[in-house]
Amino acid sequence: KAGVTQTPRYLIKTRGQQVTLSCSPISGHRSVSWYQQTPGQGLQFLFEYFSETQRNKGNFPGRFSGRQFSNSRSEMNVSTLELGDSALYLCASSLASSRGRTTGELFFGEGSRLTVL
Amino acid sequence: KQEVTQIPAALSVPEGENLVLNCSFTDSAIYNLQWFRQDPGKGLTSLLLIQSSQREQTSGRLNASLDKSSGRSTLYIAASQPGDSATYLCAVYTTGANSKLTFGKGITLSVRP
Repeated sequence: KAGVTQTPRYLIKTRGQQVTLSCSPISGHRSVSWYQQTPGQGLQFLFEYFSETQRNKGNFPGRFSGRQFSNSRSEMNVSTLELGDSALYLCASSLASSRGRTTGELFFGEGSRLTVL
Repeated sequence: KQEVTQIPAALSVPEGENLVLNCSFTDSAIYNLQWFRQDPGKGLTSLLLIQSSQREQTSGRLNASLDKSSGRSTLYIAASQPGDSATYLCAVYTTGANSKLTFGKGITLSVRP
């Protein structure tokens, strides 16, 4: 059974550009969540999706957005990149409850490492 | 606001030692608590998931306990090996309208041969 797949694994952008990251969850998992990991702040929740609907959003500016497709694949977008957006972006998938809550075990991808110059 | 604390930030032990990693959280209204392992530059690997109604979970040399009332969890690693060297993170999934997963900063473990 394939795990969570994130693409691209590494990317370098310059300030002001935008970036789109992709996440393919484990087959059958309908819940996808995104996290930002930096040395200073650790792992911080970005957003969570279930059945193409955003269920919850973390405390990040509107430059960070995401979406989920009907096949449960998800993308996140960061516009007008800043130096502080350099981080490892992790996606996780989970079997969700009937109400869409991600209360089960989370499985993470290897992450997309973004460097902003 | 849920806060998760893991102390100490780093730990170095000789091979073969049994060790306990601690995790504390401020809000006991949780669905579950999960322990992860992260190797440098990699994603997170799930180790153990404890539902709020459970007291402990075991997998191989790992045993995790949960005391919701005191806001504490421990991860016990028996007979540590150099391959156990990694960062161990705990995360709690809080209940409520804005439920989400909140992570601790992690404990970086080094097991010396």
